[in-house]
Amino acid sequence: SQQGEEDPQALSIQEGENATMNCSYKTSINNLQWYRQNSGRGLVHLILIRSNEREKHSGRLRVTLDTSKKSSSLLITASRAADTASYFCATDAGQAGTALIFGKGTTLSVSS
Amino acid sequence: DVKVTQSSRYLVKRTGEKVFLECVQDMDHENMFWYRQDPGLGLRLIYFSYDVKMKEKGDIPEGYSVSREKKERFSLILESASTNQTSMYLCASRYPGQNEQYFGPGTRLTVT
Repeated sequence: SQQGEEDPQALSIQEGENATMNCSYKTSINNLQWYRQNSGRGLVHLILIRSNEREKHSGRLRVTLDTSKKSSSLLITASRAADTASYFCATDAGQAGTALIFGKGTTLSVSS
Repeated sequence: DVKVTQSSRYLVKRTGEKVFLECVQDMDHENMFWYRQDPGLGLRLIYFSYDVKMKEKGDIPEGYSVSREKKERFSLILESASTNQTSMYLCASRYPGQNEQYFGPGTRLTVT
C-alpha cells in the first residue's frame, strides 16, 4: 500500500527559481526521506527528517515535516537544469524488518 | 561507496518464459528489496528480505518469487512472464538501523 502522495505530479520552472514539492502520508512514521531519480536510473537518497524534527537543510535542499498534518515539503532553492528529475518521498515506520513505502513522485523540469 | 548492481539494464523476454533478475550489493547489508516502477504508480514493493534465506511479501508479490541464498545476492524470479510484468525493476539494500536505502540502476524488462 502506498503511503506517500506527492503534489504536484509535475512541475516546470526556470533556472534560478525555487521548486517546492509536497508529500502527504497516512500513518505514524519514524522518519521521512526524499529521493531523486534521474530519467531511467535508480533512486538516490537526498535527505532524511526524523519524526521529532520540523526542518532540515542540506545545501540547496530544505525539508519540513508536520506530523500533525502528516505532511512534508521539499524545497529546492535556485534550481539548475541538472535538478531535472523525479522526486519521491518515502516513509519509514522504523520497525525492524519493514521496508520504505514510496509515493508516486513529482517530476521536476528545470529549463535554462 | 555502497554499490548495488543489477544483472541487466534492459531485458526482452517472451510470454511464458522464466525470468531471473539478479541483484548484488557489496556492503554486507542484511536487508534487500525488490520494487517495480510503472508510470503513474510510483514504486511498489514486490518482496523484501531482511536476512539470508528470509523473505517477506510486499504489496504485489503475485507472479513473482525470490531467492536469497547469500547475503550479497537477492534474486527476483518471474515464474512465467506475462505482458503485464513489463516494467522497470529496482533493487535496493540497506543495513538494519540505517534508514537510507541504496538502489541499483534498474532493469527495464519488456515481455512480448
